[in-house]
Amino acid sequence: DQQVKQNSPSLSVQEGRISILNCDYTNSMFDYFLWYKKYPAEGPTFLISISSIKDKNEDGRFTVFLNKSAKHLSLHIVPSQPGDSAVYFCAAKRGNNAGNMLTFGGGTRLMVKP
Amino acid sequence: GAVVSQHPSRVICKSGTSVKIECRSLDFQATTMFWYRQFPKQSLMLMATSNEGSKATYEQGVEKDKFLINHASLTLSTLTVTSAHPEDSSFYICSATPLAGGGYNEQFFGPGTRLTVL
Repeated sequence: DQQVKQNSPSLSVQEGRISILNCDYTNSMFDYFLWYKKYPAEGPTFLISISSIKDKNEDGRFTVFLNKSAKHLSLHIVPSQPGDSAVYFCAAKRGNNAGNMLTFGGGTRLMVKP
Repeated sequence: GAVVSQHPSRVICKSGTSVKIECRSLDFQATTMFWYRQFPKQSLMLMATSNEGSKATYEQGVEKDKFLINHASLTLSTLTVTSAHPEDSSFYICSATPLAGGGYNEQFFGPGTRLTVL
């Protein structure tokens, strides 16, 4: 049972446009969500997170939106840059404790074309 | 800050041998370290959670006798793949979480280790 799902395996966007990556979860106990960026043969790099008490968190070009009732979150990147091309994973956990287990989605490969 | 290293970055071994992978938190002390495995074009799958000074907690389906985890100090955890076989070939990634009060609430990931078993 996949508790965190990223239904789009890939996404192609023109440079300068908005990239929207989606993530759905099924476990209502999840209350802290994170997005990671990963290049091949490297470990994931933390991008941005959001607590379930919020519906939006913004950090520079990255904004994460959370819709608790729909159990859906999205990552917006604007403007998209070629260097953003990577695999993006959303992850969820119960509680804001750093030691809590992360459950990852399957990832979405973003390709930003110059 | 919050750098996690892994060694080696790549290892090729013969079937039947054992391989040890080290995960170190370089500039912080980690209460908990996690070990993940990623197969090509798939997500990161948690293998086990490692707490300093205690036995690791393994996820369902992960053989604890095959994947030995030792968390000897607050900055070092090791994963030993015993009697490796070709199906163990994968990308192994560790992550670490700082001690409480460090101001962080994310896991910091190492760069990963590519294991190829011939």
